[in-house]
Amino acid sequence: DVKVTQSSRYLVKRTGEKVFLECVQDMDHENMFWYRQDPGLGLRLIYFSYDVKMKEKGDIPEGYSVSREKKERFSLILESASTNQTSMYLCASSLVSLRREQFFGPGTRLTVL
Amino acid sequence: KNQVEQSPQSLIILEGKNCTLQCNYTVSPFSNLRWYKQDTGRGPVSLTIMTFSENTKSNGRYTATLDADTKQSSLHITASQLSDSASYICVVTLENYGQNFVFGPGTRLSVLP
Repeated sequence: DVKVTQSSRYLVKRTGEKVFLECVQDMDHENMFWYRQDPGLGLRLIYFSYDVKMKEKGDIPEGYSVSREKKERFSLILESASTNQTSMYLCASSLVSLRREQFFGPGTRLTVL
Repeated sequence: KNQVEQSPQSLIILEGKNCTLQCNYTVSPFSNLRWYKQDTGRGPVSLTIMTFSENTKSNGRYTATLDADTKQSSLHITASQLSDSASYICVVTLENYGQNFVFGPGTRLSVLP
């Protein structure tokens, strides 16, 4: 069974704090993704990575950065959290293939006060 | 612009009844279409996948159809159960080397006893 785990289920931070969200997958997947999910907007891609130390911007990268130092681990960093970054954050991983299925973690509900 | 639309936005049905969720897409180049189920507070889980040449796929009480000519898909749920209460997300994968998944906003299904 593929497992994608995220470091926290719920997180409360204050405006201006630096926030780290960590994601780990155990199936040796090449690709990893960070999304945010807001009501009525669906999932929006923040960043993805197709290899160690490689990253590409998604649709809404502003205010976020990522790090992938090891294949199984993909971190999302909010350098200075703002209230409009309050959201559900979902990490996913997948193989490189046309039928690739994304496997999602349980999500982190981040609230920025 | 690549886009996936879903209807209805939300749906309430009684346990034991059938229902059909709709997905329309304007995505090119098309690779495959997946339906995901997302329970409250959890990450999405894949239900079905269909490529261009497949027009129906079943997974237990879930049956997905795809009409590539009209660019429409549907997810039919038979004999609904309380555990079917969830959001159902339609996702279209683009056929290229990028990690382009286009997500619909989801349909929120509530099954009442």
